[in-house]
Amino acid sequence: EIVMTQSPATLSVSPGERATLSCRASQNVSTYLAWYQRKPGQAPRLLIYGASTRATGLPARFSGSGSGTEFTLTISSLQSEDFALYFCQQYNNWWTFGQGTKVE
Amino acid sequence: QVHLVESGGGLVKPGGSLKLSCAASGFNFIDYYMTWIRQAPGKGLEWVSYITSSGTYTNYADSVKGRFTISRDNAKNALHLHMNSLRAEDTAVYYCVRVTPTPSGSLIDYWGQGTLVTVSS
Repeated sequence: EIVMTQSPATLSVSPGERATLSCRASQNVSTYLAWYQRKPGQAPRLLIYGASTRATGLPARFSGSGSGTEFTLTISSLQSEDFALYFCQQYNNWWTFGQGTKVE
Repeated sequence: QVHLVESGGGLVKPGGSLKLSCAASGFNFIDYYMTWIRQAPGKGLEWVSYITSSGTYTNYADSVKGRFTISRDNAKNALHLHMNSLRAEDTAVYYCVRVTPTPSGSLIDYWGQGTLVTVSS
């Protein structure tokens, strides 16, 4: 099983600041990596797939990068609606998920 | 707009059974693979089961193999998960999830809000 590890567990940032979230895979997953956002009481929302492709309608302040085993999600200027839990997921070999980073 | 709504969760005793359902709307259900994913309290997300668009092929996580059965009714745009021999460790929020095949793999793109299953005596 491919283990996904996210860091940090919690990220404290202020509105307007840059947020950088990391995700590491225990094996090479190429660019078969997605990022999701989850807010309380809501369904998770796909943000990024293919490591760097934004989902339809996603604001340009969200960007993804990386390949192989190291990946990053960057929110360039945090808005109030961006405070949420973010988790990564590999889909190179079925699906496994990171534990999430809470942006507060 | 894609909409996935789970139902059927609740409290069940160890060894008992439960059937989860998912009502899909806003897309051509028959064109998509579907999967169930769960999250136990304090734990990470875990893929549970998967079914192809026609229902011909299914697969299961080792933790539920032989106890859970996934099925779909394309005429009713519905996905089901039949859970037998339930254990305390099956306690989790269960999500109905759509899978889109892409050139870069099978992408999970839409999730329901989840339904809670609690296995306890």
